[in-house]
Amino acid sequence: GNSVTQMEGPVTLSEEAFLTINCTYTATGYPSLFWYVQYPGEGLQLLLKATKADDKGSNKGFEATYRKETTSFHLEKGSVQVSDSAVYFCALSSGGTSYGKLTFGQGTILTVHP
Amino acid sequence: EADIYQTPRYLVIGTGKKITLECSQTMGHDKMYWYQQDPGMELHLIHYSYGVNSTEKGDLSSESTVSRIRTEHFPLTLESARPSHTSQYLCASSDGIQETQYFGPGTRLLVL
Repeated sequence: GNSVTQMEGPVTLSEEAFLTINCTYTATGYPSLFWYVQYPGEGLQLLLKATKADDKGSNKGFEATYRKETTSFHLEKGSVQVSDSAVYFCALSSGGTSYGKLTFGQGTILTVHP
Repeated sequence: EADIYQTPRYLVIGTGKKITLECSQTMGHDKMYWYQQDPGMELHLIHYSYGVNSTEKGDLSSESTVSRIRTEHFPLTLESARPSHTSQYLCASSDGIQETQYFGPGTRLLVL
């Protein structure tokens, strides 16, 4: 079956530091890959996505590249801000009997200090 | 901008009460989902629907039930709430084309 594994948190950084959150996946076929962000007290928001190998998703300074050879979709940001403090979820969506359903990683808490 | 709404946002209720969590979306999406999010943040799919009169159980067994009588509305009901139902419940919808799911703000349920 499908699965997503994220690096364990929490991750604590100083403002303007470089961020990497690792995400690897197991899936049949050719999944689409997503990063969602959840701010305190809110639901999830789509941060970025990639639908095929070598695609790069980007938004708000965050980037992730769909690497089929390493089955990875690591999230990066060059300079984090306090406002980036949130929980980040990696997810995949694949076809077949799981069509339209998302498989989520366990989430990574990011805290950015001034 | 996605428009998906959940009410109530917070609910404290006693054991044995019947509750309904509301979820509505104005985007005309066919696919809708309910997730349970535990305190450790992990998300579990408990119900989904691919259209009117279509409902399926998700990956995590749940004592809740759902209905889909209208495209825009996907309520979740607990006939008899228990402390083990204490959690956050997130509703989502998707048009199924881009595969992106849009989430509501969630309902935090506390059963005493």
